[in-house]
Amino acid sequence: AQTVTQSQPEMSVQEAETVTLSCTYDTSESDYYLFWYKQPPSRQMILVIRQEAYKQQNATENRFSVNFQKAAKSFSLKISDSQLGDAAMYFCAYRLNYGGATNKLIFGTGTLLAVQP
Amino acid sequence: ETGVTQTPRHLVMGMTNKKSLKCEQHLGHNAMYWYKQSAKKPLELMFVYNFKEQTENNSVPSRFSPECPNSSHLFLHLHTLQPEDSALYLCASSHAGGPGELFFGEGSRLTVL
Repeated sequence: AQTVTQSQPEMSVQEAETVTLSCTYDTSESDYYLFWYKQPPSRQMILVIRQEAYKQQNATENRFSVNFQKAAKSFSLKISDSQLGDAAMYFCAYRLNYGGATNKLIFGTGTLLAVQP
Repeated sequence: ETGVTQTPRHLVMGMTNKKSLKCEQHLGHNAMYWYKQSAKKPLELMFVYNFKEQTENNSVPSRFSPECPNSSHLFLHLHTLQPEDSALYLCASSHAGGPGELFFGEGSRLTVL
């Protein structure tokens, strides 16, 4: 069975600094998607960034980038120039690309990121 | 209204009560999901509906009963719950297939006394 592990329950970063959140996953499949979701204190979870496993190039969205190491099954999120609004719970998630009609995401336990002014 | 809306935002119920959670999406999606979020645990997928048909029931106890009358609405009927069912219940929607981005509601915080 696929699993997602986030080994950092909590992280802290100074405003304007860079922080990296870790995620590892376990799967025997080769075609899948990986995601980072952000859940601010208001609780609505939103997508931060997505990575297709067949793409070697790491995904980037403005200040957010990933380091995708397929062989190591590692998928870390780097936040550059951290802002107060980045404070949230961050979830790593995996989805098998089996061509099915629905998108069953498997989530990690989350990393609570605090941003210090 | 935009996105995914869940009501009520907070619910307190006794173990013998019957209540329902409601989810509505205005995104034109055809798949809807219920997730349970408990502290320090991964989000647990409960149910998946695709074009109103249930395609996943993740061994959820029968005291949770989902209903999906159409692709825009999803309900979770609750009866004879246990205190350990207290959690944040998240609804999400997506297009079927493709990259699979889920759009979430803000959740319903359930407390079972």
